[in-house]
Amino acid sequence: NAGVTQTPKFRILKIGQSMTLQCAQDMNHNYMYWYRQDPGMGLKLIYYSVGAGITDKGEVPNGYNVSRSTTEDFPLRLELAAPSQTSVYFCASSFPGPSTGNTIYFGEGSWLTVV
Amino acid sequence: GQQLNQSPQSMFIQEGEDVSMNCTSSSIFNTWLWYKQDPGEGPVLLIALYKAGELTSNGRLTAQFGITRKDSFLNISASIPSDVGIYFCAGRDNAGNMLTFGGGTRLMVKP
Repeated sequence: NAGVTQTPKFRILKIGQSMTLQCAQDMNHNYMYWYRQDPGMGLKLIYYSVGAGITDKGEVPNGYNVSRSTTEDFPLRLELAAPSQTSVYFCASSFPGPSTGNTIYFGEGSWLTVV
Repeated sequence: GQQLNQSPQSMFIQEGEDVSMNCTSSSIFNTWLWYKQDPGEGPVLLIALYKAGELTSNGRLTAQFGITRKDSFLNISASIPSDVGIYFCAGRDNAGNMLTFGGGTRLMVKP
């Protein structure tokens, strides 16, 4: 009953460091997403993928990269961490179709602080 | 891009009171979703709406898909302390697969 699993849960980075947030889903969902949520704000889409081998930019892609080599995994890469990337990151997945209406399911979040 | 206005931004109510929040969009949506986010957790889906005019309940929660397809509301009846959290609306249009999220309504319930 895992659903969408994100790691790490918490991380502190120094400016200029790089890291990868891992995301895996076991629901055989085609679509996967990365969102960021700044304090007191809603969710902003960073990148998304409609299937293995396909990725597209969302609303706020700058400073991030993604890959989708398998249906299950969708890692998010920060190459040169900046303080503006301090945020909570949510991975999500969905399965399109009339019965599901493409409902999106979220992971529990990854808290990232860049100092 | 699309704009989703969610109101109110925050509410502080007494336990037992009813709550109402709504979202309006600048464009027509074909799906409305309502999520709740507890502190330190990811959003959890509460109610999904797929047709204009649709009224759906989930326990004490009721949500409606507006006839104009540009708005939706969520009602919570007889609030309890565990209703505390942030409630987000999200909508999807015909153009693609992406959801647009509202800014959230922070609900606080006084026992």
